[in-house]
Amino acid sequence: DGGITQSPKYLFRKEGQNVTLSCEQNLNHDAMYWYRQDPGQGLRLIYYSQIVNDFQKGDIAEGYSVSREKKESFPLTVTSAQKNPTAFYLCASRRTGGYGYTFGSGTRLTVV
Amino acid sequence: DAKTTQPNSMESNEEEPVHLPCNHSTISGTDYIHWYRQLPSQGPEYVIHGLTSNVNNRMASLAIAEDRKSSTLILHRATLRDAAVYYCILRQGSARQLTFGSGTQLTVLP
Repeated sequence: DGGITQSPKYLFRKEGQNVTLSCEQNLNHDAMYWYRQDPGQGLRLIYYSQIVNDFQKGDIAEGYSVSREKKESFPLTVTSAQKNPTAFYLCASRRTGGYGYTFGSGTRLTVV
Repeated sequence: DAKTTQPNSMESNEEEPVHLPCNHSTISGTDYIHWYRQLPSQGPEYVIHGLTSNVNNRMASLAIAEDRKSSTLILHRATLRDAAVYYCILRQGSARQLTFGSGTQLTVLP
């Protein structure tokens, strides 16, 4: 079955360390997105990419970086510059011209 | 950016219809209205979307006001598995990114 795979499901990081969250899709979707969700809140857009080798900042890009070297993959790096990285991170994708977004099951990042 | 307003929470009895309201008074003519729902510790799931006309699918119905300033998601017969946070979202921008509000927490009572 096609879908989006996010790994790991749970991730612990020490303060001051960078960490990379994986997002892979086999839906052949062109557009991919990263969202952050804090407890009891809605999702906020971090970065998005409409095509390979191109991406744009979302509303809360500071302290994050992404790459889009392959259509299937859109990894997110949480850098040490991100002041409050503990959150639930969600990756999504969408087919060009399509209306529905497909979301992964998320990675819960905790800074210890 | 156009915003949506939803009640923080609603309750429904199992097997009864549920009407989830959403206000979007600043909607533009090209904004689509999307609904997603999210179960605890999972990613959101697409429910339905529409532009001007009412829409039906196997999950729900979407009723859109004539002036498009409000819409209602209708679950015809709520089940316990429908308990989730429901987000009403306007799709904007050339990249068609979704901007999420805080949603409505639906509780279904047995």
